[in-house]
Amino acid sequence: AQSVTQLGSHVSVSEGALVLLRCNYSSSVPPYLFWYVQYPNQGLQLLLKYTTGATLVKGINGFEAEFKKSETSFHLTKPSAHMSDAAEYFCAVRAAGNKLTFGGGTRVLVKP
Amino acid sequence: ETGVTQTPRHLVMGMTNKKSLKCEQHLGHNAMYWYKQSAKKPLELMFVYSLEERVENNSVPSRFSPECPNSSHLFLHLHTLQPEDSALYLCASSQERGGAPDTQYFGPGTRLTVL
Repeated sequence: AQSVTQLGSHVSVSEGALVLLRCNYSSSVPPYLFWYVQYPNQGLQLLLKYTTGATLVKGINGFEAEFKKSETSFHLTKPSAHMSDAAEYFCAVRAAGNKLTFGGGTRVLVKP
Repeated sequence: ETGVTQTPRHLVMGMTNKKSLKCEQHLGHNAMYWYKQSAKKPLELMFVYSLEERVENNSVPSRFSPECPNSSHLFLHLHTLQPEDSALYLCASSQERGGAPDTQYFGPGTRLTVL
């Protein structure tokens, strides 16, 4: 069975500062990993995904994530936070079959 | 219309009512999903339909009844719900091809309140 742990349910960053959201997973098979973002009153939107190949994945809105197999991690970063990045972010893992297992989410607050 | 749409966006119902949530995907996908998003809990997968057949039922109570009449439409029929069923219900779709996982695209959700 697979599971996802997101460290920190809330993160506060200053505008222009680094955004770092942590995600660790467990999976019995090679994982496929996703980051989704949810803005208020909206559904989830894909930021980026890792399937195979290059372990550093670039996504939309300046976000990127690095798959580290040895650490079972897939942390999300953005060099410079913008006010529009305030949202909730979800890490997800997909192993065998077509099921996604989501982490508990991290809500990002951006301070001016 | 593009992407995944859900109606209604908000629904308030009593415990004895019967209502239905509707999801429509305009992406030509062959798999559709219902998720439940409650406050302070991770997203929970409820049902999966692939090629219009239910392939997953995650121990969901029978007061939730899904229906997938074709590859573009997915319904969630609700009856005799409990207040703890109040949540955001999200629909998603994806293109499944021989086991290779593809991105799930989500609708905006239906905010359900059970009184």
